[in-house]
Amino acid sequence: DGGITQSPKYLFRKEGQNVTLSCEQNLNHDAMYWYRQDPGQGLRLIYYSQIVNDFQKGDIAEGYSVSREKKESFPLTVTSAQKNPTAFYLCASNLGQLMNTEAFFGQGTRLTVV
Amino acid sequence: GESVGLHLPTLSVQEGDNSIINCAYSNSASDYFIWYKQESGKGPQFIIDIRSNMDKRQGQRVTVLLNKTVKHLSLQIAATQPGDSAVYFCAENGVTFGGGTRLMVKP
Repeated sequence: DGGITQSPKYLFRKEGQNVTLSCEQNLNHDAMYWYRQDPGQGLRLIYYSQIVNDFQKGDIAEGYSVSREKKESFPLTVTSAQKNPTAFYLCASNLGQLMNTEAFFGQGTRLTVV
Repeated sequence: GESVGLHLPTLSVQEGDNSIINCAYSNSASDYFIWYKQESGKGPQFIIDIRSNMDKRQGQRVTVLLNKTVKHLSLQIAATQPGDSAVYFCAENGVTFGGGTRLMVKP
């Protein structure tokens, strides 16, 4: 059953710690994306990757890092440099950024700084 | 800070009424648009799409209208039901999200 899986669903972080959010897809999609959503607001693009071993910054990349070592996986690290990391993080994938196709989303990770 | 931003507008409708949700987009070169529905605590899901060579597309209870002249999209939901309560987003090229609208359906 194909899909995109984010883990964990809930994550708590102490101030000053780095945390990594997992995103895995078995849809054979080339492109993957990370978005941040604050309560009651829209989606803002953090990073995206169009192909393995390549990724680009989105609108709010500061304080975040990513890697794309495998087609199926696009982990997001929230670093201690991100001053307000509490948010809902969504990962998505599609056939390609320029392919004009539907994006499939994971169920999200809710990160809280304690 | 990163969390600064405007809260989404809310559209409140009575069950059974029709709903119209609007979206303005920025890139006149965009040639593909999607409407997504996001229920609370979940990821967005595809509802309907439209390509720029069309100005209207109909699905089951939903219709999307595209006006390229003024860079405007609308989503019409017929006979709105409580299960339609969610946040609705338009996306240029499927992945560039515009502002969303929260739809609240009153029983």
